[in-house]
Amino acid sequence: GEDVEQSLFLSVREGDSSVINCTYTDSSSTYLYWYKQEPGAGLQLLTYIFSNMDMKQDQRLTVLLNKKDKHLSLRIADTQTGDSAIYFCALLRSNTGKLIFGQGTTLQVKP
Amino acid sequence: GAGVSQTPSNKVTEKGKYVELRCDPISGHTALYWYRQSLGQGPEFLIYFQGTGAADDSGLPNDRFFAVRPEGSVSTLKIQRTERGDSAVYLCASSLTRDTDTQYFGPGTRLTVL
Repeated sequence: GEDVEQSLFLSVREGDSSVINCTYTDSSSTYLYWYKQEPGAGLQLLTYIFSNMDMKQDQRLTVLLNKKDKHLSLRIADTQTGDSAIYFCALLRSNTGKLIFGQGTTLQVKP
Repeated sequence: GAGVSQTPSNKVTEKGKYVELRCDPISGHTALYWYRQSLGQGPEFLIYFQGTGAADDSGLPNDRFFAVRPEGSVSTLKIQRTERGDSAVYLCASSLTRDTDTQYFGPGTRLTVL
């Protein structure tokens, strides 16, 4: 199967860290992505990680990949109200151009 | 530079009608993808073009859906005999050359079938 699962909702206070989690079943994925979607807008690429990496840091964003547990997470440090959006993890199925998306996590940031 | 553009941004049609949705990829990108996003869900893959040819159309739900990319740039997604269940946001993405390159998404076309 190609299941990608995410929790549906996360609420944090401004300035706190946010951690958005994703689990998947297909272990052959080569690239794993995080996209952000604001209301009425398309998908904005935030960051990605190769499947042979464990961690990637990009400014306020940290991606952790646990291949053994098939678990991907996105940590946003010092979360701001402008970070409020839906966050999707997506896996690139190897040898295809097909991205498999989770159902998205709505991040609510309270001032 | 310009990103992926899609037209129209919104399309309202009646059940049974034919619609065309257009995608302009990032200039120079040879790979182009169509996805469909239903309300409250993540995008689902429809079709992938490499140049003018469809490299993978396994996501097209049935033969009412068809897509073309005749000159290897602009693509059109065509839906015949639309049904209410076709209502969704149709997203287009492009990537530089190969299926392993990062996909950049357009703003989408919101299709509503009455």
